Amino acid sequence: ETGVTQTPRHLVMGMTNKKSLKCEQHLGHNAMYWYKQSAKKPLELMFVYNFKEQTENNSVPSRFSPECPNSSHLFLHLHTLQPEDSALYLCASSQELTSTGANVLTFGAGSRLTVL
Amino acid sequence: AQSVTQLGSHVSVSEGALVLLRCNYSSSVPPYLFWYVQYPNQGLQLLLKYTSAATLVKGINGFEAEFKKSETSFHLTKPSAHMSDAAEYFCAVSGDTGTASKLTFGTGTRLQVTL
Repeated sequence: ETGVTQTPRHLVMGMTNKKSLKCEQHLGHNAMYWYKQSAKKPLELMFVYNFKEQTENNSVPSRFSPECPNSSHLFLHLHTLQPEDSALYLCASSQELTSTGANVLTFGAGSRLTVL
Repeated sequence: AQSVTQLGSHVSVSEGALVLLRCNYSSSVPPYLFWYVQYPNQGLQLLLKYTSAATLVKGINGFEAEFKKSETSFHLTKPSAHMSDAAEYFCAVSGDTGTASKLTFGTGTRLQVTL
């Protein structure tokens, strides 16, 4: 399988549940990202990892906990979420972070999360 | 800080008509500019990018965009729309010092193509 794969594609959870989103890339990239896509809002960068090290946390609430065990896998652990956290969560990867802004991101299809 | 403004959240064109999706950017340094497309139930896919080479950039599926520094614009065009072009299009900018890892996206423009 090639590209960026996200599972599950759809997730419904209660506010007290614990769940995880998984992202896997088969592109040999070294940087991975989580984005949140909500209706009528720009994509929001949540976390960035470069060579397994977290380089950015964009003021994300602690109920979202990322994990990057290796350059090919990225997880987003979810705990005690709020209804306003319902959104499409997109994973992306790029070759690596550079000192310029020429990174080209490859996105997964997303995980549609609904919090009841 | 860098930012992107996409004028028009919805654009409707007839099949065969010109497609024009507008994007204006703000950046304190020479920008890198991107257009991504998102088809229903899919992630974002790169259409084209500007990285300070030619100002007219050609992308996939017949799309192109022109970087105009004087107008701080990077509008996306296609001479003749096809039904398969119906999707949401996102303009993005990166390059500001300290934000090299960040793409700042616009709010998107949904393109509808009618018969």
